[in-house]
Amino acid sequence: DIQMTQSPSSVSASVGDRVTITCRASQDISTWLSWYQQKPGKAPKLLMNGASSLQSGVPSRFSGSGSETLFTLTITNLMPEDFATYYCQQAATFPPTFGQGTKLEIK
Amino acid sequence: QVTLRESGPALVQPTQTLTLTCTFSGFSLTTTGMCVTWVRQPPGKALDWLALIDWDGDTYFNTSLKTRLSISRDTSKNQVVLTMSNVDPLDTATYYCGRIRPQVGIDYWGQGTVVTVSS
Repeated sequence: DIQMTQSPSSVSASVGDRVTITCRASQDISTWLSWYQQKPGKAPKLLMNGASSLQSGVPSRFSGSGSETLFTLTITNLMPEDFATYYCQQAATFPPTFGQGTKLEIK
Repeated sequence: QVTLRESGPALVQPTQTLTLTCTFSGFSLTTTGMCVTWVRQPPGKALDWLALIDWDGDTYFNTSLKTRLSISRDTSKNQVVLTMSNVDPLDTATYYCGRIRPQVGIDYWGQGTVVTVSS
């Protein structure tokens, strides 16, 4: 199985800041990487797939990049509603494995 | 529109078998590229992918849980059933089902169902 490792596990930031979350795959997954946002008590929400393709309705302050084994999710101009936990998931092969999550907290 | 809903017992005793049903609408599980998956989340912890069944009826399981899991589908009822045998308090979690597409990810999720394993 492909292992996914996210860093950091948590990050504190203020409204208006820029934050970057990293996800590493244990083997080449091309750009088959998805990002999810999860708020407390809610199901995760798919933010983007293909490493950088935003889902419909996702604000443009979210962006993704990377390929092969290293990927990043960047959020610019943080808004209060962005404080949540973010997960990466490889979509290259089954089983689709998740990273362990990054909790974005308000400073 | 696509919707999924999980159903099953809220409380299960240790060593019993847990059976969860995902009832979905808005897509067909026999259409190429369509799959249904199960993911769980213990309280305060990360997402833990469990299993999936694809449009051909092929199944995939979390490697560390595969001896305890089974997944099946009833395409006439638009349902997918997950069973987990010999449950333990560590299996206490919110269980989600979702539609997953290869190279896309889980684009639709159910609201989740909370399962507690306790005597």
